[in-house]
Amino acid sequence: DIQMTQSPSSMSVSLGDTVTITCRASQDVGIYVNWFQQKPGKSPRRMIYRATNLADGVPSRFSGSRSGSDYSLTISSLESEDVADYHCLQYDEYPRTFGGGTKLELK
Amino acid sequence: EVQLVETGGGLVQPGRSLKLSCVASGFTFNNYWMSWTRQAPGKGLEWVASITNSGGSTYYPDSVKGRFTISRDNAQNTLYLQMNSLRSEDTATYYCTRESTKGPYWGQGVMVTVSS
Repeated sequence: DIQMTQSPSSMSVSLGDTVTITCRASQDVGIYVNWFQQKPGKSPRRMIYRATNLADGVPSRFSGSRSGSDYSLTISSLESEDVADYHCLQYDEYPRTFGGGTKLELK
Repeated sequence: EVQLVETGGGLVQPGRSLKLSCVASGFTFNNYWMSWTRQAPGKGLEWVASITNSGGSTYYPDSVKGRFTISRDNAQNTLYLQMNSLRSEDTATYYCTRESTKGPYWGQGVMVTVSS
């Protein structure tokens, strides 16, 4: 199975920060990586698809990038509504596998 | 607007069965693969099952293979998850998802609690 190693698991942030979260894939997954935002009691919301594409309605301060087997989600100029959990997913092959999640908390 | 509405959750004893349903609207259901993904309380996300648009093929992780069955009724725009021999570790919120090359689109989820 493909492992998606997500880091950090938690992050203390301030409004206006630039935040980067990374997932490393244990095998080649090509471009088939999603990033999801999840707020308490809510279902995940797709933010990035195919590693670098912004999903519909997602603010342009969010971006996705890829360097080899490392996939990153960057939030520029963090706003209060961005404080949430973030998850990566590889959907290149079965079994689908998620990263362990990153919890953003305000300082 | 795409909508996925899950029902059928609740409290069930270990070893018993439960069947979840997901009614889809706002898109052509039989054009899409569908999946179930779950999230245990305070934990991460775990993919549970997927089914092709025709229903001809299904996929499961080892953790549920042989116990869970995904199926669909394209005439009723409905996805199902039959869960047998339930264990305490199956306690989770179960999400119905629509699959595409953009990845999954999520329903609101339904809670399943396995406890005596």
